[in-house]
Amino acid sequence: GAGVSQSPSNKVTEKGKDVELRCDPISGHTALYWYRQSLGQGLEFLIYFQGNSAPDKSGLPSDRFSAERTGGSVSTLTIQRTQQEDSAVYLCASSPREGVQETQYFGPGTRLLVL
Amino acid sequence: AQTVTQSQPEMSVQEAETVTLSCTYDTSESDYYLFWYKQPPSRQMILVIRQEAYKQQNATENRFSVNFQKAAKSFSLKISDSQLGDAAMYFCAYGEGNTPLVFGKGTRLSVIA
Repeated sequence: GAGVSQSPSNKVTEKGKDVELRCDPISGHTALYWYRQSLGQGLEFLIYFQGNSAPDKSGLPSDRFSAERTGGSVSTLTIQRTQQEDSAVYLCASSPREGVQETQYFGPGTRLLVL
Repeated sequence: AQTVTQSQPEMSVQEAETVTLSCTYDTSESDYYLFWYKQPPSRQMILVIRQEAYKQQNATENRFSVNFQKAAKSFSLKISDSQLGDAAMYFCAYGEGNTPLVFGKGTRLSVIA
């Protein structure tokens, strides 16, 4: 079956512009995660959606970052007024249910470059 | 907060040889999971192996096995009979309950033909 897909694959933007990154999880997966991977760093948790529960936004680095998940499926991560330090690979993952015991399936990521 | 440390930024191994990647973590919990993920140049993270903390037996998946030392909070990955396709970034990760995974900074593995 289809895996997690993300678009665009690469995005170059100018400082101060807004960007939207999209994630299509595996069909039927109720949990969805966004991570950020900066150069030479591990994955940094950003936000987590589980079913109809309020999302866990504890990892968002600033109020310029927001995310939504429509209809329990597709998710969009929005970065407003981008800064150069936002340059990174943004990875999305989904799992069948919530809980660390569930395997997270990752998408290929979106590489964001802010000039 | 839980932390995961991978002390080897880069490792290399000859094809067909064995290599061990190190990972240590810090937690006060007794029930948790540990993972090794592989990230090839395609960027897509792939789960290699997982270990449940309450299981004493070390997990094994084909050529991949772990050495889980709960008291020492150590979770190393052994790759046997290394293949060129094993070349990638490897990330160790910790998880508990419904909280997001905590990842180490990764080890870049090169496989020499």
